[in-house]
Amino acid sequence: DAGVIQSPRHEVTEMGQEVTLRCKPISGHDYLFWYRQTMMRGLELLIYFNNNVPIDDSGMPEDRFSAKMPNASFSTLKIQPSEPRDSAVYFCASSSRGHETQYFGPGTRLLVL
Amino acid sequence: DAKTTQPPSMDCAEGRAANLPCNHSTISGNEYVYWYRQIHSQGPQYIIHGLKNNETNEMASLIITEDRKSSTLILPHATLRDTAVYYCIVTLPGNQFYFGTGTSLTVIP
Repeated sequence: DAGVIQSPRHEVTEMGQEVTLRCKPISGHDYLFWYRQTMMRGLELLIYFNNNVPIDDSGMPEDRFSAKMPNASFSTLKIQPSEPRDSAVYFCASSSRGHETQYFGPGTRLLVL
Repeated sequence: DAKTTQPPSMDCAEGRAANLPCNHSTISGNEYVYWYRQIHSQGPQYIIHGLKNNETNEMASLIITEDRKSSTLILPHATLRDTAVYYCIVTLPGNQFYFGTGTSLTVIP
């Protein structure tokens, strides 16, 4: 298995633009997690899905952030409009056992100018 | 979830055992101890977890004290590739993980 796949790996955009991050979980995993990592706040859980259904989105910072999982092999995290404070590394992870033994992707490094 | 305390940084000589401590004095009876690590510029990687018995896998060993108030992750023969930030997480199964700041381990040649 190729592991969790994220795209793009790097994204540079200007304030106000829409940003879409993509994730393909490991086949057979029914949990998918989106995290954000910054120097100031560390690694934060934004939202997670079970069987394509959002279970807990309490970590989503505000309405500018939205996440979808249209099928078991694909999820998106969208920021619209983006702001400089959204600059961070965004990780996607998947698991077959809930929060235990999560497998993380390589991350998307987002810079909003 | 129980709060964990880890030293911010540690060094270890290559080839020697790396012993990473974690204090979790407020741990409850059903909470597990999980260890993850994050190598620079990569996503976190699961290492091991346990409830009260010592655990061992191909990556590491986890020693949990009898009162469960602290634990130690042991990398038996540290290599340069083990240089990473190590996170100790205590939580109930099914609950969200809070990764904290972890211990930055540097393996020295």
